[in-house]
Amino acid sequence: EDQVTQSPEALRLQEGESSSLNCSYTVSGLRGLFWYRQDPGKGPEFLFTLYSAGEEKEKERLKATLTKKESFLHITAPKPEDSATYLCAVQIIYNYGQNFVFGPGTRLSVLP
Amino acid sequence: EAQVTQNPRYLITVTGKKLTVTCSQNMNHEYMSWYRQDPGLGLRQIYYSMNVEVTDKGDVPEGYKVSRKEKRNFPLILESPSPNQTSLYFCASTPSPLGAYEQYFGPGTRLTVT
Repeated sequence: EDQVTQSPEALRLQEGESSSLNCSYTVSGLRGLFWYRQDPGKGPEFLFTLYSAGEEKEKERLKATLTKKESFLHITAPKPEDSATYLCAVQIIYNYGQNFVFGPGTRLSVLP
Repeated sequence: EAQVTQNPRYLITVTGKKLTVTCSQNMNHEYMSWYRQDPGLGLRQIYYSMNVEVTDKGDVPEGYKVSRKEKRNFPLILESPSPNQTSLYFCASTPSPLGAYEQYFGPGTRLTVT
């Protein structure tokens, strides 16, 4: 069964305290892995797409990496405005089409 | 402005009263989908559409219907809502079912069924 898990479920950091979020997946036919940010009551906002193991992408204080079985979202020197839920999703290709499977998310709180 | 819109944003209804949540995108995207989001379960795909008149079930399709008569619109229909369909619903679109494109999400519809 295609599955995506994320850890930790919640993370509290002090401003400036770097850390990493994990996304693990067991899927067949992976086409891409996506990271999104979601603020309370709003729709997810796209951050990164990763296609193959070894790939890395960066945006401001965020860096996403991908291995064959997991992805990490590294947050360097976070600020309070980075507080949000971070979602990981995989795009799976089947013979008849495609599907997106999301992880449950990591709720990040950055304290000033 | 490129966007996905949903209406209504909030809805409280009673069991069994048919309702429709509309979704529209102005980006000429081929692929559209509906998700529900519940605490601890994350986003789960309900239905998706690869193009006009082409729809298919996602992971949790029971109790829902969709249609795709025009490229820009993808309404979600609950023929006989039940309390277990109380949830936060998101519509999303992506340019094509081919290739790894990110999804653009609507602002969400919070549905309560009493």
